[in-house]
Amino acid sequence: QKEVEQDPGPLSVPEGAIVSLNCTYSNSAFQYFMWYRQYSRKGPELLMYTYSSGNKEDGRFTAQVDKSSKYISLFIRDSQPSDSATYLCAVSGNEKLTFGTGTRLTIIP
Amino acid sequence: DSGVTQTPKHLITATGQRVTLRCSPRSGDLSVYWYQQSLDQGLQFLIQYYNGEERAKGNILERFSAQQFPDLHSELNLSSLELGDSALYFCASGGWQGGSYGYTFGSGTRLTVV
Repeated sequence: QKEVEQDPGPLSVPEGAIVSLNCTYSNSAFQYFMWYRQYSRKGPELLMYTYSSGNKEDGRFTAQVDKSSKYISLFIRDSQPSDSATYLCAVSGNEKLTFGTGTRLTIIP
Repeated sequence: DSGVTQTPKHLITATGQRVTLRCSPRSGDLSVYWYQQSLDQGLQFLIQYYNGEERAKGNILERFSAQQFPDLHSELNLSSLELGDSALYFCASGGWQGGSYGYTFGSGTRLTVV
């Protein structure tokens, strides 16, 4: 079993829609949960991090963590064509850093 | 500028050759992670160093090796190169800094083996 599972998509939604991206993880030792955005052939860019269960909001982005079910989510409101990218979840703990495979998202104008 | 510096940005070399990729972590970060990303693939974890010591190994081939120097920069050595080694190679550093948590990636080295 992979330590982090993420649906690779691709996912296409119309502009303005709410996007939901999800990951599950297997190791309870993971303490930090992150979402990265990667444009084609560029380095991943950190969007948000969370430490505890609950929600964290930053502009149009909301990260949600449920430690009891080992489930992490990223919601994007009012999606824009510029949000088209690959989104990767990441978990870390005890200096170990593990990424999901990434979900390719396309926002259709 | 993310604070993580990778050189060179592009590298074209022939099969069988050896190359060295360099990474300077963000100021204050002791850890360096190396990842390989082939075309349209996810990030494959290769190896992690922390303050000069190897901390974790992922799917790193025996032909590949790495080290972290006292000034904390790291080098990834790829030898006996094969066509399948063509990929983007990223390094990342991070942890807690300035009240925020996360790992910052460099812009990567694009390796093409011909």
